[in-house]
Amino acid sequence: SQELEQSPQSLIVQEGKNLTINCTSSKTLYGLYWYKQKYGEGLIFLMMLQKGGEEKSHEKITAKLDEKKQQSSLHITASQPSHAGIYLCGADARGGADGLTFGKGTHLIIQP
Amino acid sequence: GAVVSQHPSWVICKSGTSVKIECRSLDFQATTMFWYRQFPKQSLMLMATSNEGSKATYEQGVEKDKFLINHASLTLSTLTVTSAHPEDSSFYICSAVLMMNTEAFFGQGTRLTVV
Repeated sequence: SQELEQSPQSLIVQEGKNLTINCTSSKTLYGLYWYKQKYGEGLIFLMMLQKGGEEKSHEKITAKLDEKKQQSSLHITASQPSHAGIYLCGADARGGADGLTFGKGTHLIIQP
Repeated sequence: GAVVSQHPSWVICKSGTSVKIECRSLDFQATTMFWYRQFPKQSLMLMATSNEGSKATYEQGVEKDKFLINHASLTLSTLTVTSAHPEDSSFYICSAVLMMNTEAFFGQGTRLTVV
């Protein structure tokens, strides 16, 4: 079965600093999704990556998928309080047919 | 992006009763809907895959007789937790997919508390 390791589990970053969250799969991915979640609430879609070496950016958040399609990183530049929350990576093994397997999440805290 | 509406957003029920959660895709027809469960401080775990007009496919360890899924139309899937017990208390969230290889859109989630 698909396993997804997400690191770090939690991260405290001073406002304005950059940070990176990693997501590693045990198998080659069909697609990799990044979501943000406030605990116990719905998911906010950030980005979807499908091609090896793909990189996407939205505002100050950049996500990359490695060439082998087994590892992804989410990078936040000049972090702000609004970036605080739980970041989840989700792995798509079969083009969406089997749902997503999620990592355990990274709890990001932004210190003023 | 597309909108998936999930209702109710929270519910408290007595042990032994049944609870129905609805998941609607508001502006697109979803070929497939998924149901996930999230226990406190844990990740989302897929419970079942629901295709319109056919029986749901359940993940290992999920009791199909306890978690009844009905997907009667391309815009509505329901999850019924039957004979709920306190250990069923969790955050349930659905997602809908328009077609293969496209983004999955998530509902707002339902927080179920069984007392």
